[in-house]
Amino acid sequence: DVKVTQSSRYLVKRTGEKVFLECVQDMDHENMFWYRQDPGLGLRLIYFSYDVKMKEKGDIPEGYSVSREKKERFSLILESASTNQTSMYLCASSLRGKEQYFGPGTRLTVT
Amino acid sequence: AQKITQTQPGMFVQEKEAVTLDCTYDTSDPSYGLFWYKQPSSGEMIFLIYQGSYDQQNATEGRYSLNFQKARKSANLVISASQLGDSAMYFCAMREGPKGTYKYIFGTGTRLKVLA
Repeated sequence: DVKVTQSSRYLVKRTGEKVFLECVQDMDHENMFWYRQDPGLGLRLIYFSYDVKMKEKGDIPEGYSVSREKKERFSLILESASTNQTSMYLCASSLRGKEQYFGPGTRLTVT
Repeated sequence: AQKITQTQPGMFVQEKEAVTLDCTYDTSDPSYGLFWYKQPSSGEMIFLIYQGSYDQQNATEGRYSLNFQKARKSANLVISASQLGDSAMYFCAMREGPKGTYKYIFGTGTRLKVLA
């Protein structure tokens, strides 16, 4: 059974803190993605990666960075969290252009 | 400019009736893919159906079918015989980009409520 896991379901952080969101997939997928989901805005692509150590900016990369040191793991980093980064964060993986598999999401609140 | 447009924020349908959820897209790539996902209130994203830009026939998966009109750049999802469990958020998505470095862009979603 395919699986994408995310390190936390809920996270509360203070403004200015550095935040790490981890995503792990067990399907040997090349492609991995980070989205944020906000009401009325759908899913917006933050960053994606098509190979180890490779990363590409999505539509809203400002304030975020990513790391992919191993094929199965894709990390999203908020260098200095701000209140406007309060959101649901979804990680996904896919195999060569096929459908994406999503993790359960991390609801991040920045106070 | 929006690459994926879902113009219906919310819809109601009577149980056992069919419903169409609209999706239009914008791309200049000749090769692309279109996907629909369901997100129930529990939050997980569930893949429903896929249509490739070169596919001649409309995709079908059980009660789901995709009405693909390439010239109009539309990829509407049709759910036949709606069930209460179909109540959820539905997202249309498009895959684009060079092979191997694909990215997937989503629309804003349509919330469907099935009425008993």
